[in-house]
Amino acid sequence: EVQLVQSGAEIMKPGESLRISCKVSGDSFISYWISWVRQMPGKGLEWMGRIDPSDSYTTYSPSFEGHVTISADKSVNTAYLQWNSLKASDTALYYCARHPVHCTTTTCYYSNWFDSWGQGTRVSVSS
Amino acid sequence: QSALTQPASVSGSPGQSITISCTGTSSDVGYNYVSWYQQHPGKAPKLMIYEVINRPSGVSIRFSGSKSGNTASLTISRLQPEDEADYYCSSYTSDTWVFGGGTKLTVL
Repeated sequence: EVQLVQSGAEIMKPGESLRISCKVSGDSFISYWISWVRQMPGKGLEWMGRIDPSDSYTTYSPSFEGHVTISADKSVNTAYLQWNSLKASDTALYYCARHPVHCTTTTCYYSNWFDSWGQGTRVSVSS
Repeated sequence: QSALTQPASVSGSPGQSITISCTGTSSDVGYNYVSWYQQHPGKAPKLMIYEVINRPSGVSIRFSGSKSGNTASLTISRLQPEDEADYYCSSYTSDTWVFGGGTKLTVL
């Protein structure tokens, strides 16, 4: 069974840097993509970006590009979400989610859905 | 890319059926890359439907998906109390994803 286990809650100050992690177990790390999703308090889900751990190719939502960095380390089956300078508005719950490789009778492709999710990492930013 | 449009809330009684809509454009929902997620309070989202109509293994057959034009729908039949949750649609286009604003389902 695939599991995505995220790092613990963080309490930070504005301007600080932070990296949170998402460790994948139960399957080959390079056979899927990982996305990061934000959920602000009492609000809905927002897609931030995704990474292909096999080559670290990333794409970002325009809403988040330039403010966060997504990376991955194949050697430890872990994806990361990083901020260089946090803002109070970054206070939220952050989820990682997996896009598995999906095979039909004729082809295989990276799925366009999120089939497994981490438990979430709560980030609180306040002075 | 704008969020997909969902009703803020729907409700139904046990045993009834409800439908949640998800409206986008020809550039997102117009393709067959719509998925649906269920989120109970304090829990991570759970995949319920992928590529408009497909149900992952383990998801109840009471959950079904459909699409007409640029509007996708999630139907839950024979409502049960445990179906009370938030539901989100998502669409994929051009290597990016967008979610709907979410719909709170209340089982009366």
